[in-house]
Amino acid sequence: QSVLTQPPSVSATPGQKVTISCSGSNSNIGNYHVSWYQHVPGTAPNLLIYGSNQRPSGIPDRFSASKSGTSATLDISGLQTGDEADYYCTSWDSSLSALIFGGGTKLTVL
Amino acid sequence: EVQLVESGGGLVQPGGSLRLSCEASGFRIGDYWMHWVRQVPGKGLAWVSRIKGDGSVTNYADSVKGRFTVSRDNAKNTVYLQMTSLRVEDMAIYYCARDGPGPESAGAWGQGTLVTVSS
Repeated sequence: QSVLTQPPSVSATPGQKVTISCSGSNSNIGNYHVSWYQHVPGTAPNLLIYGSNQRPSGIPDRFSASKSGTSATLDISGLQTGDEADYYCTSWDSSLSALIFGGGTKLTVL
Repeated sequence: EVQLVESGGGLVQPGGSLRLSCEASGFRIGDYWMHWVRQVPGKGLAWVSRIKGDGSVTNYADSVKGRFTVSRDNAKNTVYLQMTSLRVEDMAIYYCARDGPGPESAGAWGQGTLVTVSS
């Protein structure tokens, strides 16, 4: 069971918007930035968001994120079938002195 | 172009050892924290370890502390993960990643190397 809690799965249809939540505590999200990754198993993970709400160059603005207190959210709008993947939040945890990943959320685009 | 290439994975018996390498190109590893992250087949991503640019600071996940050692050779632009006392639950694809652009984020990843622990 991960220190960062994500829903195991979400689904939506093409063109819709989906939100993925990530719940933590004051030892992690409450005091540190959150990053979000897209991962298709067997390939290299792809950084979508860093600094809780910043997009690296090349990441479309369909991907956005925010943080409030000890929780964070990733929004994906204008869903495409190519967005099907696993999505992970991460944050540093001061109690563990470790970078922690959420359990991951599988996005299905129906 | 930033590139990370992992190597050294393979089949090892429980209790055995293996050393993974991550050769970087397109940047100097001495300027960055470097991470190791793994994915157990069918499970999620899990952070393993990180090492500071100058090698002065290392951190480990509790699950590998005391068994794995991260190191770097800046002259070879290569990061290593020495894994000892390997367990079946260590079987995974191991990725190395470069820290940044933000703190504790990883914007560049290798393709991974598979470690199989089995008798």
